[in-house]
Amino acid sequence: GQQLNQSPQSMFIQEGEDVSMNCTSSSIFNTWLWYKQDPGEGPVLLIALYKAGELTSNGRLTAQFGITRKDSFLNISASIPSDVGIYFCAPPLEYGNKLVFGAGTILRVKS
Amino acid sequence: DAMVIQNPRYQVTQFGKPVTLSCSQTLNHNVMYWYQQKSSQAPKLLFHYYDKDFNNEADTPDNFQSRRPNTSFCFLDIRSPGLGDAAMYLCATSRDNPRRGSLEQYFGPGTRLTVT
Repeated sequence: GQQLNQSPQSMFIQEGEDVSMNCTSSSIFNTWLWYKQDPGEGPVLLIALYKAGELTSNGRLTAQFGITRKDSFLNISASIPSDVGIYFCAPPLEYGNKLVFGAGTILRVKS
Repeated sequence: DAMVIQNPRYQVTQFGKPVTLSCSQTLNHNVMYWYQQKSSQAPKLLFHYYDKDFNNEADTPDNFQSRRPNTSFCFLDIRSPGLGDAAMYLCATSRDNPRRGSLEQYFGPGTRLTVT
């Protein structure tokens, strides 16, 4: 089955710092999704990537779909306290209506 | 705004007492999912409905059942909750068609289940 490695597992950063996290896979994916989950809430879709090499921004967030189609990264610039939460990469399987979830990156921000 | 709604947000049930969690959506999506999420873990898919077709995951215990009476509503029934079933239960939807974006899933806020 698909194996996803998401890193880092957790980060504790100072407000204003930039953040970078990534996911790597042993298999090729044709889509990469990034979600954020606030404490006690459901995951919210942040960015969807559909093409190898694609670089997409959403405000202070930037995500890239790796050329090999086996990896993706998410950057957050100038972090703020409300960026706190768990970030998941979740590429969909091509068939079967299923997402493969990374283990998540826990982000904590010191203000 | 179109959305996925879950009720209740918090549910307390007794060991062995059946409980039902509900999900509704105004997105008119044809696929609905139920996930179980335990603390500090990724969501784990229990089953999903593709229209009226039920698709169970191989490792989902028989204790968990689901109903989808129409496009908008989906229910999760836990027949005899155990202490290990305490978790966040997430409902999600997706629009399954060949167009770009059909693989994105949209989650509800979740129901936190406590078993006493």
